[in-house]
Amino acid sequence: AQSVSQHNHHVILSEAASLELGCNYSYGGTVNLFWYVQYPGQHLQLLLKYFSGDPLVKGIKGFEAEFIKSKFSFNLRKPSVQWSDTAEYFCAVTQRGGNNRLAFGKGNQVVVIP
Amino acid sequence: GAVVSQHPSWVICKSGTSVKIECRSLDFQATTMFWYRQFPKQSLMLMATSNEGSKATYEQGVEKDKFLINHASLTLSTLTVTSAHPEDSSFYICSAPEQGAAKNIQYFGAGTRLSVL
Repeated sequence: AQSVSQHNHHVILSEAASLELGCNYSYGGTVNLFWYVQYPGQHLQLLLKYFSGDPLVKGIKGFEAEFIKSKFSFNLRKPSVQWSDTAEYFCAVTQRGGNNRLAFGKGNQVVVIP
Repeated sequence: GAVVSQHPSWVICKSGTSVKIECRSLDFQATTMFWYRQFPKQSLMLMATSNEGSKATYEQGVEKDKFLINHASLTLSTLTVTSAHPEDSSFYICSAPEQGAAKNIQYFGAGTRLSVL
């Protein structure tokens, strides 16, 4: 079964600081990778995704993530965060060609201090 | 993007009663929908896959008779928590993958917070 690891559940940083959230998965087959964001009081929204091609993917709001197959990683980055980036971030994996069952990491609670 | 509507957003019930939660895909059809449970400060745990016109597929450890799932149409799946107890209190979230080229992308409802007294 797939599993997804996210470390440092709580991240607190100041505006303009850089953010990197780690995501590692364990699955031997081909996967699709996602980062979802949940702003306070809102539903989960897709931040970015990787299916194939360029391993560096760019998402909304200045976020990007890099798929490193050899490390089974899909880390999320943003060079300069804003207060509005305060949210919970979830990494998720699904088996390519499967039935779209998503396996989620535990999430990172990110708080940006103005 | 596609929209998934979940209702109600919050429900409080007495122990022993049943609660129905609805999940609707508003602008697309979904032959499959997923139901998750989220505990505080924890990840989303997949409970079951709802299949239109057929039985739901439950994850290991999820009681079928406790969490009844009905996917009667291409836009509606319901989750009924039967004989709810305080330990069933949680945040329940549904999702639906869009068909076609974007079918690998799932859209999520806003969730339902269930509090069982």
